[in-house]
Amino acid sequence: KAGVTQTPRYLIKTRGQQVTLSCSPISGHRSVSWYQQTPGQGLQFLFEYFSETQRNKGNFPGRFSGRQFSNSRSEMNVSTLELGDSALYLCASSLVLAGGVRQAFFGQGTRLTVV
Amino acid sequence: EDKVVQSPLSLVVHEGDTVTLNCSYEVTNFRSLLWYKQEKKAPTFLFMLTSSGIEKKSGRLSSILDKKELFSILNITATQTGDSAVYLCAVSTNAGNMLTFGGGTRLMVKP
Repeated sequence: KAGVTQTPRYLIKTRGQQVTLSCSPISGHRSVSWYQQTPGQGLQFLFEYFSETQRNKGNFPGRFSGRQFSNSRSEMNVSTLELGDSALYLCASSLVLAGGVRQAFFGQGTRLTVV
Repeated sequence: EDKVVQSPLSLVVHEGDTVTLNCSYEVTNFRSLLWYKQEKKAPTFLFMLTSSGIEKKSGRLSSILDKKELFSILNITATQTGDSAVYLCAVSTNAGNMLTFGGGTRLMVKP
């Protein structure tokens, strides 16, 4: 089974631009979550999508948005990029186990650098 | 606010040593605690713990959860240089599918 696939792997953008990152979950997984990882803040939850609906959202400004398609693939978008948005963006796909407990598998991430 | 704290922040040991990594948490409606190993990019899944007192084991790695005292430990015996990584602890709650992560423990194993 293929793992979680994120594209692109690396990205350099300038301040003020916008960016779209893509995540293809493991086949059969319907839940996709996004996380931002920085040296200062660690791994922080951005949002979660399930069946094309956003179910949870972390404490990030409205410049961060996402969506999920009918095939469970997800995209996240960051508009009006700031230097502080430079980070590793990780996508996780989840399988619902018996009892509703979920096990999350991560992709390789997209390293975004804002200059 | 949900909180996960890991200790120590970093650790340097020699091959063959045994290490214990700690994770304590304060969350509402705890569902499970997960351990991940992160070497370069993708955190790779190690264990998921939901029940107190039941040890999960995989080779030289083992983990146990104490839901009364709100902590978990990850043990690595006979460490190898390939164990060098950041070890992340995360907690999920019944509030949804988000994980709250600790800051990680950076382990370096010297030959």
